Amino acid sequence: GAVVSQHPSWVICKSGTSVKIECRSLDFQATTMFWYRQFPKQSLMLMATSNEGSKATYEQGVEKDKFLINHASLTLSTLTVTSAHPEDSSFYICSARVSEVSYGYTFGSGTRLTVV
Amino acid sequence: GQNIDQPTEMTATEGAIVQINCTYQTSGFNGLFWYQQHAGEAPTFLSYNVLDGLEEKGRFSSFLSRSKGYSYLLLKELQMKDSASYLCAVMDSNYQLIWGAGTKLIIKP
Repeated sequence: GAVVSQHPSWVICKSGTSVKIECRSLDFQATTMFWYRQFPKQSLMLMATSNEGSKATYEQGVEKDKFLINHASLTLSTLTVTSAHPEDSSFYICSARVSEVSYGYTFGSGTRLTVV
Repeated sequence: GQNIDQPTEMTATEGAIVQINCTYQTSGFNGLFWYQQHAGEAPTFLSYNVLDGLEEKGRFSSFLSRSKGYSYLLLKELQMKDSASYLCAVMDSNYQLIWGAGTKLIIKP
């Protein structure tokens, strides 16, 4: 089945530093990758949609200069949290839509970011 | 606006049956998904309904009524490992997923 590999699984960084999260589609081409953030006991919140070879589309309220998304190839999308602050601590998950709708979306394993 | 409602939390007993409801109001409809999410993990796909009726898959079944904007996930023969959050999501006319807040299911022995 379609698999998205996401890493790192968890990361701790200092305030003011940047963190890069990678998502790779292993056995299919992901023309579109979705980036979500999930705070404890809350549902998934879509941050942005990245399309291969073009600029990402950000949801309202998400700072595009803070959350840099790059989708340079059909198998790799990255999210960089720049100048991280403690309030950016969250669970970040990428997701790609599989070609057949009935399979829905396949998710990466998620990245737990803690900013200290 | 777009809205998905599901109960925040439910409790059930091991071996029993539980039904988790989901109601939705979205701009267009291209199917409804149920996902299971254990704490600290990414969601995993459970079911997809696009036509009215019941889809059965082992211990899990999912029902859809498009005219009522309603779906439910039915879990039978509950096991302790079924303790998780269950997320209802609707694909709208733009093929974007609209997520419910999730239902935390607690299974007691």
